[in-house]
Amino acid sequence: ETGVTQSPTHLIKTRGQQVTLRCSSQSGHNTVSWYQQALGQGPQFIFQYYREEENGRGNFPPRFSGLQFPNYSSELNVNALELDDSALYLCASSSRQGTQYYEQYFGPGTRLTVT
Amino acid sequence: AQSVTQLDSQVPVFEEAPVELRCNYSSSVSVYLFWYVQYPNQGLQLLLKYLSGSTLVESINGFEAEFNKSQTSFHLRKPSVHISDTAEYFCAVIRMDSSYKLIFGSGTRLLVRP
Repeated sequence: ETGVTQSPTHLIKTRGQQVTLRCSSQSGHNTVSWYQQALGQGPQFIFQYYREEENGRGNFPPRFSGLQFPNYSSELNVNALELDDSALYLCASSSRQGTQYYEQYFGPGTRLTVT
Repeated sequence: AQSVTQLDSQVPVFEEAPVELRCNYSSSVSVYLFWYVQYPNQGLQLLLKYLSGSTLVESINGFEAEFNKSQTSFHLRKPSVHISDTAEYFCAVIRMDSSYKLIFGSGTRLLVRP
């Protein structure tokens, strides 16, 4: 069974640019969540995608957007990058069934540096 | 709204000594509770969770945590730590009525010294 994978591992961008981060969910999982982890802080929830639709969003501006594809993989897009966007971006996949609790499995993350 | 507080940013301890990492939470609704571990340059791994039942939960590598509803705490303990336990530990909660958004504390770095 393949776990959650993310690409790229590291990325350096310039302020104002746009970036796309990718996540492949674990086999059998239908839900992907994205978190931002700034240096020295705990992860913060960005949004979740369930069956290709956004299902819940944290306190992040609209320039943070996402997609989920029919194979349940996902992309996180960030436009107009700011220095404060420098962080580890974590993807977590899960197998959601209704409103019951479902465990989230995290990928290794993508380290984004904005200069 | 929910919040999680981990008062200790770093806990240094000698190998084979006991350790406690503190976690307190605030929530107006019932929550599930979790401890995650993050090794250097890696993602998060679920260490243990409290969903219901016995308030004392254990992991396979010797950690345990006890849910205390009156004190709104979920402290993590291990009676004897190893060098390999050196990592960042995050306490987290999730609402029972909408279980999609994990809310994390700021983390505690456990540093085990020989």
